[in-house]
Amino acid sequence: DTAVSQTPKYLVTQMGNDKSIKCEQNLGHDTMYWYKQDSKKFLKIMFSYNNKELIINETVPNRFSPKSPDKAHLNLHINSLELGDSAVYFCASSLQVSGANVLTFGAGSRLTVL
Amino acid sequence: GEDVEQSLFLSVREGDSSVINCTYTDSSSTYLYWYKQEPGAGLQLLTYIFSNMDMKQDQRLTVLLNKKDKHLSLRIADTQTGDSAIYFCAVSTSGTYKYIFGTGTRLKVLA
Repeated sequence: DTAVSQTPKYLVTQMGNDKSIKCEQNLGHDTMYWYKQDSKKFLKIMFSYNNKELIINETVPNRFSPKSPDKAHLNLHINSLELGDSAVYFCASSLQVSGANVLTFGAGSRLTVL
Repeated sequence: GEDVEQSLFLSVREGDSSVINCTYTDSSSTYLYWYKQEPGAGLQLLTYIFSNMDMKQDQRLTVLLNKKDKHLSLRIADTQTGDSAIYFCAVSTSGTYKYIFGTGTRLKVLA
């Protein structure tokens, strides 16, 4: 039973298209995140939601729009895809453990823009 | 802005100890973490330490924290080929949602 699941795992698309990546967690966590990992493996926070409320919105082009229909789901929609959007996108959820914020990651969604 | 830096690569022989280092700039960091990323997978939490601790040991893993120098290290004893992965340190601050990952260190274990 996967704790944080993302779909699709692989996505290949043309420049200019619109695509979505979905994420679901069955851990009962209140907070969910989207991270982007580039080809050098650098990990950058994009968005975070706590109980469906947007709490982190980093400097990300407004072509990227997160949506959280409920606290178990956080989807990422990308409009007008560009070559530079090619990356692995990770969804994560978190739980506070005695003040520490422990993240559980999904397996990632590899987006390739041609 | 806050920064978390790691050296990019480390290569060790099987059976040796590995030491992965991390430096951070935000002195308000309350918790410091180590995550492991295997190829084609997401990050997995290995261990974490509270900022008022100097050391934490968990089986083959030892975390050392030098708060004055803002330096964190992860020592893996008796390194195995299965330890080959990318290791990320991260810092968070209590009472905020701030969570910053380091640049990652790729550990290669030679048989």
